[in-house]
Amino acid sequence: EVQLVESGGGLVQPGGSLRLSCAASGFTFSSYAMSWVRQAPGKGLEWVSAISGSGGSTYYADSVKGRFTISRDNSKNTLYLQMNSLRAEDTAVYYCAKVIRQQLVRNAFDIWGQGTMVTVSS
Amino acid sequence: DIVMTQSPDSLAVSLGERATINCKSSQSVLYSSNNKNYLAWYQQKPGQPPKLLIYWASTRESGVPDRFSGSGSGTDFTLTISSLQAEDVAVYYCQQYYSTSFTFGPGTKVDIK
Repeated sequence: EVQLVESGGGLVQPGGSLRLSCAASGFTFSSYAMSWVRQAPGKGLEWVSAISGSGGSTYYADSVKGRFTISRDNSKNTLYLQMNSLRAEDTAVYYCAKVIRQQLVRNAFDIWGQGTMVTVSS
Repeated sequence: DIVMTQSPDSLAVSLGERATINCKSSQSVLYSSNNKNYLAWYQQKPGQPPKLLIYWASTRESGVPDRFSGSGSGTDFTLTISSLQAEDVAVYYCQQYYSTSFTFGPGTKVDIK
């Protein structure tokens, strides 16, 4: 079964850091680009960051550029999101998502994790 | 960045009736080299992650009931639920993946009348 499981969320003070993880199983992880998408409480979906299957190409939303870093360890089938200089507006459920076709970064997201909650508050 | 808009913000439809959601992109998401529209539709129920319904604007994802259909090209797209069922109550989002900003629309809430 194809599965994504996020972890690492929690409560952090403004200006703090957090690293999210997304453990993948049931597919050839290294063949697929991956993304992080977030959803603030009661709000819509916001794409955050994407990474190619090899990890050689990364993409960021303007709202997180320079503060967040996406990475992956294909030997561990795990995706990461390092979040620094966190702000109250970063409070959200963070989902990891897999693209539907191999080798293509620009594609729809067919598998989503259940999400991990990040709360930025003093 | 490509801006996605949706209309209406919400709609209530009687069981068995048709529901239509519109999505508009600020620039074309039709890639001329392969003639594909880089547009997807997702369904999200409360407390759940989004679920992919439609990609390439009109290709139904495996396992999605055929009452869901997508249409449109360029900048204007439509998601149609031909006969609304109780389990279709959800928020529906369109998303462009033409540019690597992967923008989502604001969502349309569908309820039963």
